[in-house]
Amino acid sequence: SQQGEEDPQALSIQEGENATMNCSYKTSINNLQWYRQNSGRGLVHLILIRSNEREKHSGRLRVTLDTSKKSSSLLITASRAADTASYFCATDAWGGKLIFGQGTELSVKP
Amino acid sequence: ETGVTQSPTHLIKTRGQQVTLRCSSQSGHNTVSWYQQALGQGPQFIFQYYREEENGRGNFPPRFSGLQFPNYSSELNVNALELDDSALYLCASRSDSILGNGGYTFGSGTRLTVV
Repeated sequence: SQQGEEDPQALSIQEGENATMNCSYKTSINNLQWYRQNSGRGLVHLILIRSNEREKHSGRLRVTLDTSKKSSSLLITASRAADTASYFCATDAWGGKLIFGQGTELSVKP
Repeated sequence: ETGVTQSPTHLIKTRGQQVTLRCSSQSGHNTVSWYQQALGQGPQFIFQYYREEENGRGNFPPRFSGLQFPNYSSELNVNALELDDSALYLCASRSDSILGNGGYTFGSGTRLTVV
């Protein structure tokens, strides 16, 4: 079963715009991770935020975590066509077992 | 050796057959996990191995089994294949090091089609 919901399911933006994806989950977690997947192939780890952190940055990525609301958001700034992919949040509640959301399909048009 | 390598990339099997999928993890990655991803869905956790012992299992029947070897390779075996087993199977590994970013390195997956 999926841990949570991702919103929106699909997002289409122009190059240079910012993209925001949201993730909600149901149980307590150790950390939350975001992954990118291109064309149904392997996932690429983007960023991990621990349960005691509220915000984290990595290059053009900004992740927030609100454990009281059991939600997280991923912001991609100044998006590029190469950012077109599916983005998944995954929660780690115990020992590295990741529970993934359904994903957000991002399309960045040049 | 860097990266996670999975083989084969594509596979077609008949219902009722058995299949073995293989994964070669990065050196030093003692944790390996397997996931099943149906089309349009997020990956679902099958099981996890740490230093050759299974230490976590998702909601999959016993006909899904695995092995992890000392050389950082692992296998996923599926017996009595069903049509619903058609999916992308992903292997992922992680280092124990606290210096790592804590995330998993995923292979490109094996696309299994059961007919």
